[in-house]
Amino acid sequence: AQSVTQLGSHVSVSEGALVLLRCNYSSSVPPYLFWYVQYPNQGLQLLLKYTTGATLVKGINGFEAEFKKSETSFHLTKPSAHMSDAAEYFCAVNDNNDMRFGAGTRLTVKP
Amino acid sequence: DAEITQSPRHKITETGRQVTLACHQTWNHNNMFWYRQDLGHGLRLIHYSYGVQDTNKGEVSDGYSVSRSNTEDLPLTLESAASSQTSVYFCASSGTVGGNYGYTFGSGTRLTVV
Repeated sequence: AQSVTQLGSHVSVSEGALVLLRCNYSSSVPPYLFWYVQYPNQGLQLLLKYTTGATLVKGINGFEAEFKKSETSFHLTKPSAHMSDAAEYFCAVNDNNDMRFGAGTRLTVKP
Repeated sequence: DAEITQSPRHKITETGRQVTLACHQTWNHNNMFWYRQDLGHGLRLIHYSYGVQDTNKGEVSDGYSVSRSNTEDLPLTLESAASSQTSVYFCASSGTVGGNYGYTFGSGTRLTVV
């Protein structure tokens, strides 16, 4: 079965700095990959997804992620962090409606 | 607007009691899922359904059951609540066969078993 590993349970950046959240996956088939964001006391919200085609995908709020098959990675980036980006971020891999989530990375943004 | 709603938002129950958490979606999605979220574990799948009268076990299904009598609802029942089932529970739905457009999540139910 597929699985996801998120490197770093907590990431702290300064406002305006680069955000990099790491995700590696394992899958026996070409994967569908996702990043979700969770704000306090809320459900998960889809940030972006990779299904097929272009390996660099853009999402909401200025986030983007690049699918690298050779590295089995799908890291999430944002050039300049904003205070409102503070949240929990989950990487996920989906194989035929079997969505597996990573343990999550909590992003803190310092003023 | 279409939505997915969970109720209650918070629930405290005693060990051994039966508890039912509600999930209702107006997306007309065939696929519905229940996850639990625990610190350090991310989200783990409890049960899922691909349509009316269809239910399937996920990776952490022991002690839980679901039923699907219509498209809109997938209630989750804890047969005899245990302290290990204290968690935040999320319902999700998907309209595509393979889920390749992602899932839509409810706001969650925080359950405490005392």
